[in-house]
Amino acid sequence: KAGVTQTPRYLIKTRGQQVTLSCSPISGHRSVSWYQQTPGQGLQFLFEYFSETQRNKGNFPGRFSGRQFSNSRSEMNVSTLELGDSALYLCASSSLSPDTGELFFGEGSRLTVL
Amino acid sequence: DQQVKQNSPSLSVQEGRISILNCDYTNSMFDYFLWYKKYPAEGPTFLISISSIKDKNEDGRFTVFLNKSAKHLSLHIVPSQPGDSAVYFCAAMETGTASKLTFGTGTRLQVTL
Repeated sequence: KAGVTQTPRYLIKTRGQQVTLSCSPISGHRSVSWYQQTPGQGLQFLFEYFSETQRNKGNFPGRFSGRQFSNSRSEMNVSTLELGDSALYLCASSSLSPDTGELFFGEGSRLTVL
Repeated sequence: DQQVKQNSPSLSVQEGRISILNCDYTNSMFDYFLWYKKYPAEGPTFLISISSIKDKNEDGRFTVFLNKSAKHLSLHIVPSQPGDSAVYFCAAMETGTASKLTFGTGTRLQVTL
């Protein structure tokens, strides 16, 4: 069974640009969530999508957005990049059955903003 | 406001000894707790979990203890092995919000020979 796939793995952008990250969940998983990992902050929840609907959202500014497609693949977008957006962005998928919090994470997309 | 705290950024333990990783939480609504392990250049992987109706859950070398009155949980690894060297994240959730985990900042465990 293929795992969670994230693309691109690494990218470098400059301040003010925008970026789109992609995530393909495990086959059959309909829930996709996104987390930001920065040194000293751990993993912080961005948002979660289920059946193309955003169900939960973390405390991030509106520059961070996402969407989910009918095949459960998800994208997240960050507009008007700031230096502080440099981080590892992790996507996780779950079947939610059972609803135990066991998430399957991808390897992440490491974003560097210069 | 850090609702889940791991106050030890790093821990070094000898192979064969016990590793104890600690985690504190402040939100009383949390009723399910998990530990994830992360190796460099990989995503976190689920390790073990515990419901608030229990005070202990064991899986092989890994045991998680929960003290609800103290809002504290710990992960015990016995015996520790070099392959256990990784960053360990404590996470918490409210029932019904399984995809919205609140993570601690992680503890880097190094198991030495």
